[in-house]
Amino acid sequence: GAGVSQSPSNKVTEKGKDVELRCDPISGHTALYWYRQRLGQGLEFLIYFQGNSAPDKSGLPSDRFSAERTGESVSTLTIQRTQQEDSAVYLCASTENEDTQYFGPGTRLTVL
Amino acid sequence: RKEVEQDPGPFNVPEGATVAFNCTYSNSASQSFFWYRQDCRKEPKLLMSVYSSGNEDGRFTAQLNRASQYISLLIRDSKLSDSATYLCVVRDGNNRKLIWGLGTSLAVNP
Repeated sequence: GAGVSQSPSNKVTEKGKDVELRCDPISGHTALYWYRQRLGQGLEFLIYFQGNSAPDKSGLPSDRFSAERTGESVSTLTIQRTQQEDSAVYLCASTENEDTQYFGPGTRLTVL
Repeated sequence: RKEVEQDPGPFNVPEGATVAFNCTYSNSASQSFFWYRQDCRKEPKLLMSVYSSGNEDGRFTAQLNRASQYISLLIRDSKLSDSATYLCVVRDGNNRKLIWGLGTSLAVNP
């Protein structure tokens, strides 16, 4: 079956612009995570959605970052007024039973 | 202290060697434990879950020591294709969020 998909795969933007990243989880997966990974660094948790519960936003680095998820489907991560330090790979993962995480291929964001 | 700590390495080993990684976690209420593998410029993929009784999958053995709050991964008869970063992951016992270590880099050399 289809895995987790993310779009775009690559995004180059100018400093100060807003960007929107999309994640399509595996159908039926109730939990969805967003992570950021800078070059050569570990995974940095951003936000966690679980069913209809309030999302855990504790990892969002600033109020320029926000994310939404409609039900148990698509999620979008929005970064407003992008900065160069936002350059990273943004990974989305979904889980069915909150154990095994299935990752999408990521969106590589470059802020010039 | 970080919630999940790993030796970043890199571990450089010859083909056929046995190599072991450890990972420590700070929250004694942690419930579930995993090892993921991440190849260069790729997304992480589950390698194996770690059970209290220990578990083995081919050349890979994972063990959990709750008393000392660490998990381990043993790779026997290393292959060139084992070269990757190995990520330790722990589920927080309170909010069920997954906490990731920064990973241990392994390079298996011919």
